[in-house]
Amino acid sequence: DIEMTQSPSSLSASVGDRVTITCRASQDIKINLAWFQQKPGEAPKSLIYAASSLESGVPSNFSGSGSGTEFSLTISSLRPEDFATYYCHQYKTYPFTFGPGTKVDIK
Amino acid sequence: DVQLVESGGGLVQPGGSLRLSCAASGFTFSDHHMDWVRQAPGKGLEWVGRIREKGRGDTTEYAASVKGRFTVSRDDSKNSLYLQMNSLKTEDTAVYYCARSPLGRGPFDHWGQGTLVTVSS
Repeated sequence: DIEMTQSPSSLSASVGDRVTITCRASQDIKINLAWFQQKPGEAPKSLIYAASSLESGVPSNFSGSGSGTEFSLTISSLRPEDFATYYCHQYKTYPFTFGPGTKVDIK
Repeated sequence: DVQLVESGGGLVQPGGSLRLSCAASGFTFSDHHMDWVRQAPGKGLEWVGRIREKGRGDTTEYAASVKGRFTVSRDDSKNSLYLQMNSLKTEDTAVYYCARSPLGRGPFDHWGQGTLVTVSS
């Protein structure tokens, strides 16, 4: 199975900060990488697919980059509604796997 | 609007069975792969299984943790997805989400609200 790791596991930031979350895959997954946002008590929400394609309706302060085994999610200017847990996910190979998540909370 | 509504969760004893349903609306259900993803209390996301769209033969894939115990099926005439769960274990306790996966791009572009399955004696 492809193992996905994320760093950091959590971070504290302020509104307006630039935040970058890193995701690493244990094998080459090309650009078959997605990012999801989840708030407490809610279903996950798709943000980015194919490593850098923004999901329809997702604000442009979110961006993704990377290929192969190293990827990142950047929030250019943190807004109050962006405080949540973020998961990366590989869909190159079955079984599909998720990273453990990165919790972004308010400093 | 795309809507996915899960149902069928509840309390079940270890070794028991449960069938979850996901009612889809607002899109052409038969054109999409459909997946189940679960989340144990306080934990991360775990993919459970997929059923491909009819053009690919309604074939299925499963996580190793559920293979042989869980079965994903679909009824395109009813715009419905199902998860039959047998030989349930305490570690299957989780919120179960159904998710839509369009062809030709990343998966899980829409999710249901989830249904809680608790396996306990």
